[in-house]
Amino acid sequence: AQKVTQAQTEISVVEKEDVTLDCVYETRDTTYYLFWYKQPPSGELVFLIRRNSFDEQNEISGRYSWNFQKSTSSFNFTITASQVVDSAVYFCALSEPGNKLVFGAGTILRVKS
Amino acid sequence: DSGVTQTPKHLITATGQRVTLRCSPRSGDLSVYWYQQSLDQGLQFLIQYYNGEERAKGNILERFSAQQFPDLHSELNLSSLELGDSALYFCASSGYWGQGAKANYGYTFGSGTRLTVV
Repeated sequence: AQKVTQAQTEISVVEKEDVTLDCVYETRDTTYYLFWYKQPPSGELVFLIRRNSFDEQNEISGRYSWNFQKSTSSFNFTITASQVVDSAVYFCALSEPGNKLVFGAGTILRVKS
Repeated sequence: DSGVTQTPKHLITATGQRVTLRCSPRSGDLSVYWYQQSLDQGLQFLIQYYNGEERAKGNILERFSAQQFPDLHSELNLSSLELGDSALYFCASSGYWGQGAKANYGYTFGSGTRLTVV
């Protein structure tokens, strides 16, 4: 069975600090996708990134970066120079193509000014 | 706009009532999924339809049912509502975008329906 673990329930940082959100996954599938979503207080799920299991290249998008390591089954997310607007719940998720997403429990990020 | 449309955005109803949530998937996507997000359960998969057929079932109560119509929109019916059914209900759709070597897999969520049972 697939499983996603986000061990950090809540993280508080001060603005401009860097913060890393951890995600560890379990799956027996060789082909799968990993996702990160942001859920701001308004409630919608905002797509951040999708990575397939064959692409271990790390990705950077502005202040966001993702580190995918199949050897440790991890897909960690780093926000550089955090801002108050980054305050949200962040979800890591795993799926086989065409199948349901399995979500982690989420990490609440609070960025204080 | 994510391409997945959910209506209504908010719904307040009394216990024992029945409601219908509606979802239109992103154009071209054949798979539709329903998820429930409650405070104590996190994001839980309810059910998946693919091109009109039920494909997978998750933690969906017997009081809940869903269907996908020929135009691919989907409805989630919640009946005999209880206080504990108050939650955010999300619809998502998935499919491959682009063609050939540039095709990529997309999984898109709607903005959700916030159901409050009073």
